[in-house]
Amino acid sequence: ELKVEQNPLFLSMQEGKNYTIYCNYSTTSDRLYWYRQDPGKSLESLFVLLSNGAVKQEGRLMASLDTKARLSTLHITAAVHDLSATYFCAVDPYRGGSNYKLTFGKGTLLTVNP
Amino acid sequence: NAGVTQTPKFQVLKTGQSMTLQCAQDMNHEYMSWYRQDPGMGLRLIHYSVGAGITDQGEVPNGYNVSRSTTEDFPLRLLSAAPSQTSVYFCASTPDVWALPDTQYFGPGTRLTVL
Repeated sequence: ELKVEQNPLFLSMQEGKNYTIYCNYSTTSDRLYWYRQDPGKSLESLFVLLSNGAVKQEGRLMASLDTKARLSTLHITAAVHDLSATYFCAVDPYRGGSNYKLTFGKGTLLTVNP
Repeated sequence: NAGVTQTPKFQVLKTGQSMTLQCAQDMNHEYMSWYRQDPGMGLRLIHYSVGAGITDQGEVPNGYNVSRSTTEDFPLRLLSAAPSQTSVYFCASTPDVWALPDTQYFGPGTRLTVL
């Protein structure tokens, strides 16, 4: 059974600081997704990481994937209040293709304080 | 395009009642799925479909039925609602399971309370 663990589950940051959210998973996979969810809202896609060493950046967020370590990171640079949200990673366990049976982590609730 | 739509937005049921959560997409996506989201649990896959006429179970299928008679619609049926099914339900779709993996597009969610 695939397990996806995110840490930390709660993160309170000051504006302007940097931090990293970690996503570990228990089985071999080369498909990993990051999503953002605002309170009471749906999920918004942030990044799709498809191979070992993949790195993607959008604004103050950068995501990377190390399939050998079974680890993805979401790095936040110079946090601003607008980044406050819950962030989820999700893993597709099917190697060599995709079947979209995603297993999600429990999410990281990020609060950025002035 | 409206994207992925879900109705209703909110629903309160009594234990034992049945109901159908509606999900529709106008993007001609082949793959559709249903998740439930509970506090502190992330999202868990209930059922999914890789195309019209094809459905399969996800991680937590008990108490739910699905069918996929058209590409556009993927309703989720609660057969006999239980308080444990109180949750937020999200429908999602993806263009083509055999093409380069794409992200899933999520609907706005249905907040269901079972008393």
